[in-house]
Amino acid sequence: DGGITQSPKYLFRKEGQNVTLSCEQNLNHDAMYWYRQDPGQGLRLIYYSQIVNDFQKGDIAEGYSVSREKKESFPLTVTSAQKNPTAFYLCASSSAAGGLNEQFFGPGTRLTVL
Amino acid sequence: RKEVEQDPGPFNVPEGATVAFNCTYSNSASQSFFWYRQDCRKEPKLLMSVYSSGNEDGRFTAQLNRASQYISLLIRDSKLSDSATYLCVVNMLTGNQFYFGTGTSLTVIP
Repeated sequence: DGGITQSPKYLFRKEGQNVTLSCEQNLNHDAMYWYRQDPGQGLRLIYYSQIVNDFQKGDIAEGYSVSREKKESFPLTVTSAQKNPTAFYLCASSSAAGGLNEQFFGPGTRLTVL
Repeated sequence: RKEVEQDPGPFNVPEGATVAFNCTYSNSASQSFFWYRQDCRKEPKLLMSVYSSGNEDGRFTAQLNRASQYISLLIRDSKLSDSATYLCVVNMLTGNQFYFGTGTSLTVIP
């Protein structure tokens, strides 16, 4: 089955630690995205990538880093510089072709800083 | 100004009711429009794309008004299972970025 997977589902981190969230897709999509969602709020874009080995900052990139070494994978690292990392993290992908290119989401990772 | 704005609600409606949500977008260059549904503590899932001529999928009807820059979602004969948050999403093909509204909360009451 084609889709997007994220791991882990739940993640606990001590303050000062870096953690990496995994995102893999087998939809052959060029574009991949990372969003953060806080309780009662909308999705905010952290980083996105249109093609392998290229990515751009979104609205709230500070304290985060990404890589795009393979088309299928777009891991997100939450660094110790992110002051308020507790949130629901969602990865998405879409075809970069024109037209009605909707986004597909992974099941998300809930990160809690202890 | 936000790219996409929605009334957050909440909308509390009885079963069988008809409910409508509206969403406005600020950039006239927007090309693609969608409604997503998000259940509590889950990921958003595509409900329907919104076509220029309007489109219907069972009890759900989506409309686009480019002149006024808004899209709407109409749900007829509401079911308990329709309770969720509905997200309005706009895409500008340039840069392939998606802009999300904050969502409208719907609760269908027995």
